[in-house]
Amino acid sequence: NAGVTQTPKFRVLKTGQSMTLLCAQDMNHEYMYWYRQDPGMGLRLIHYSVGEGTTAKGEVPDGYNVSRLKKQNFLLGLESAAPSQTSVYFCASSYLDTEAFFGQGTRLTVV
Amino acid sequence: AQKITQTQPGMFVQEKEAVTLDCTYDTSDPSYGLFWYKQPSSGEMIFLIYQGSYDQQNATEGRYSLNFQKARKSANLVISASQLGDSAMYFCAMRERGYGQNFVFGPGTRLSVLP
Repeated sequence: NAGVTQTPKFRVLKTGQSMTLLCAQDMNHEYMYWYRQDPGMGLRLIHYSVGEGTTAKGEVPDGYNVSRLKKQNFLLGLESAAPSQTSVYFCASSYLDTEAFFGQGTRLTVV
Repeated sequence: AQKITQTQPGMFVQEKEAVTLDCTYDTSDPSYGLFWYKQPSSGEMIFLIYQGSYDQQNATEGRYSLNFQKARKSANLVISASQLGDSAMYFCAMRERGYGQNFVFGPGTRLSVLP
């Protein structure tokens, strides 16, 4: 099993560019999450989904959009990247009442 | 409001000794789960241990144990017989009931194991 796979692993964007981060899980999990990790701040929730076709805002949703058209995929979009979005992004998935399984992370730099 | 507090930004421990990493949480939900994750320098998030709010006994997984004090809202991680490979960031997290069953993370503690 691949578990949770994030694409890409690294990316450098110029301010104002757009991009999409892809998260794919093969564990049939209902719950999927996008977090960003910044030094000293732990992981902060951007958006999440409780099932196919559903999305909801987390703690820091501004500047991001998401879609979950298929149960196994959760996409995170940046429409107009800003330097403040330089971060490490983690996707995670979970069943009800179990631990979260994480992807390897995507290191994004916006210059 | 900060729901997960980890008051130790950094900790040092001698190899083969035990170490306790502190975690306090805040919730009004009677049903919740508490988790610890390890993040080595390579960056991946590794699940270590889980404690449910209704569990009567403290969780244990190999060299990891969770010292759960519900009334004090405390969920400290104890690592016994530290190894050099335990050097990493450690995150405490809570999962509440509610729409998204979201995981809320603390800021982390960086543990350094000294030879």
